[in-house]
Amino acid sequence: QLVLTQSPSASASLGASVKLTCTLSSGHSSYAIAWHQQQPEKGPRYLMKLNSDGSHSKGDGIPDRFSGSSSGAERYLTISSLQSEDEADYYCQTWVTGKGMVFGGGTKLTVL
Amino acid sequence: EVQLAESGGGLVQPGGSLRLSCAGSGLTFSSCDMNWVRQAPGKGLEWISYNSRSGSTTYYADSVKGRFTSSRDNAKNSLYLQMNNLRAEDTAVYYCARDKHIAHWGQGTLVTVSS
Repeated sequence: QLVLTQSPSASASLGASVKLTCTLSSGHSSYAIAWHQQQPEKGPRYLMKLNSDGSHSKGDGIPDRFSGSSSGAERYLTISSLQSEDEADYYCQTWVTGKGMVFGGGTKLTVL
Repeated sequence: EVQLAESGGGLVQPGGSLRLSCAGSGLTFSSCDMNWVRQAPGKGLEWISYNSRSGSTTYYADSVKGRFTSSRDNAKNSLYLQMNNLRAEDTAVYYCARDKHIAHWGQGTLVTVSS
C-alpha cells in the first residue's frame, strides 16, 4: 500500500528558503507526485508535477521561486525568497494505477 | 483559461441525498480524467472518486463506496457526484479536480450533513 509521508509543520524566515519533503513508502520510489498549495481559507492550487528523476512541470503562473527535486523515495519542494503569501498548507499527491489517488497529510508552512 | 466550477452543495439531513455538478470550460473535457476530492473542516485532502475520460472506468474510496456514484456527460462538459445515505462525516468542501496528478482544481462546494 502506497503511503505519502509529510512532516506536519515547517517554518522559515521571510526572504529565506525552505525545503519541504514528501516520502514515498517502500517499493514506490519510481512514482511521480504532484505538489499543491492551499492558502488559508482558499481552495488548493496545483504547483507542479515532479518525476522520480527530478524533472518537473509547473502550473500556469507558478513563480520561479518554486522548484522541485527528487532523491530516491524523497520528493522535495523548495521555495526560495519566501514571501508572506507562501504561508500555507502544502500537499503531495500521487496516483496508484487501478486503485486511485493518494494524498500526503500535508505540511503547514509558517513564514516567520 | 481552464475553469472547473462545482455546484449543488448545501445542507442535508443524515440519510439524505445530494447531487453535485462540476462544469468544465477552457479545456477539452472529454480528454480529461476527472476526480472528486473532499476536505472536512480543519482536515487534509481526501480523494473520493475517479472517472475516466470516457466514463467507462470509475474508482471510489472505501469511505464512500456503495453510497456515492460518479458520472460524467462529455457533451455537457460536466462531471457529477450522486451522494446517497449521507452521514455527518461526509460534511466537507467537495472539489472536482482534473487528471491523475491533479493539474486543475475547482473552487469547491460545501456539503453540510446535519439534522
